[in-house]
Amino acid sequence: DAGVTQSPTHLIKTRGQQVTLRCSPKSGHDTVSWYQQALGQGPQFIFQYYEEEERQRGNFPDRFSGHQFPNYSSELNVNALLLGDSALYLCASSHLLDEQFFGPGTRLTVL
Amino acid sequence: GNSVTQMEGPVTLSEEAFLTINCTYTATGYPSLFWYVQYPGEGLQLLLKATKADDKGSNKGFEATYRKETTSFHLEKGSVQVSDSAVYFCALSDRGGSEKLVFGKGMKLTVNP
Repeated sequence: DAGVTQSPTHLIKTRGQQVTLRCSPKSGHDTVSWYQQALGQGPQFIFQYYEEEERQRGNFPDRFSGHQFPNYSSELNVNALLLGDSALYLCASSHLLDEQFFGPGTRLTVL
Repeated sequence: GNSVTQMEGPVTLSEEAFLTINCTYTATGYPSLFWYVQYPGEGLQLLLKATKADDKGSNKGFEATYRKETTSFHLEKGSVQVSDSAVYFCALSDRGGSEKLVFGKGMKLTVNP
């Protein structure tokens, strides 16, 4: 049973560019959440998708957007990248009220 | 809003030492509480959880008790191993575990042989 998978593993972009990160949830899970983890900090909630709609959103600007597909996989898009967007981006999946399972993350570096 | 405050490290212990990592929270209602662990180069793994007051979560020798009166969820292990070296995060969510998680800043633990 594959767990949560994310791609790519690492990514380097320059300021002002746009980036798309991808996540496939654990089998049987229908809810996907995204978190940003800056170096040395705890993860911060970005948003959560369920039934292809954004269900909850954290305190992140509109430059951060997402999408969930019918197969429950998800994308995180970040526009107009800033140096401060450099972080580990974690995807987590869940089903109903069960706990979230995390993927290994995508390390984004903005130069 | 909800928040989690946890003991910050880094902390270095010798193998077989006793471990306590303090965690307190602020929340409206009755949150669920979690401890997640992050090994080097990996994502987060759920270590244990408790969903109501006085519940004790346990896993791999780690324990934590949901104390509503002190709004705390301290993590303990009686005898740490080198393999326990990791970063430990305390977290809460409003309902079950599928709602958004609010994390503490994490504590890096290194266990030496």
